[in-house]
Amino acid sequence: QVQLVQSGAEVKKPGASVKVSCKVSGHTLSELSMYWVRQAPGKGLEWMGGSDREDDETIYAQKFQGRVTLTEDTSIDTAYMELSSLKSEDTAVYYCTTGFTRLPAAHFDFWGQGTLVTVSS
Amino acid sequence: SYELTQPPSVSVSPGQTASITCSGDKLGDKYVCWYQQKPGQSPVVVIYQDNKRPSGIPERFSGSNSGNTATLTISGTQAMDEADYYCQAWDSGTGVFGTGTKVTVL
Repeated sequence: QVQLVQSGAEVKKPGASVKVSCKVSGHTLSELSMYWVRQAPGKGLEWMGGSDREDDETIYAQKFQGRVTLTEDTSIDTAYMELSSLKSEDTAVYYCTTGFTRLPAAHFDFWGQGTLVTVSS
Repeated sequence: SYELTQPPSVSVSPGQTASITCSGDKLGDKYVCWYQQKPGQSPVVVIYQDNKRPSGIPERFSGSNSGNTATLTISGTQAMDEADYYCQAWDSGTGVFGTGTKVTVL
């Protein structure tokens, strides 16, 4: 069973950057396709980006192009999401998520517990 | 960009059937999955590849997808099914979530 454990809550000032980690256990990160999703308070789910392992290409949602960077350290089975130039609207819970099915049928079987990022001056 | 539209809310009496729609251009040509999210929890997939149920998901959850509309049906709705539901599909390798539907069991 895959488990995803994310880093703790963060408070950042506008204009700063945040880096959230996602530790994989129960499987090898190099065999998984990892994605990131966020949810602003009281709002819906928003897909940020990710990479299908077979394509080995990271795709970002147009909304976050240039501001988000997704990386991985497969030696420690940990994925990272870094978001820069933070604004108050980036206050949200950030989730890492993955599954075994590949595109175009990919779905998210496993989710991290979420990391609350608060952007406030 | 591709959009998926859901009704904001659906109300259902216990034991009755709840249907949640998800609309998008030529959605029937894509695979759709559905996620259930309860307050303070991470989402859980209840339907994938249009109509498949993951192990552990009750049989009362079913899905369909044709034309421009996908539908999640909850038969014999129980109080524990009260949650937010999101459809999700892929458009040119980019993930898209629906706007979300709050299901209330009255």
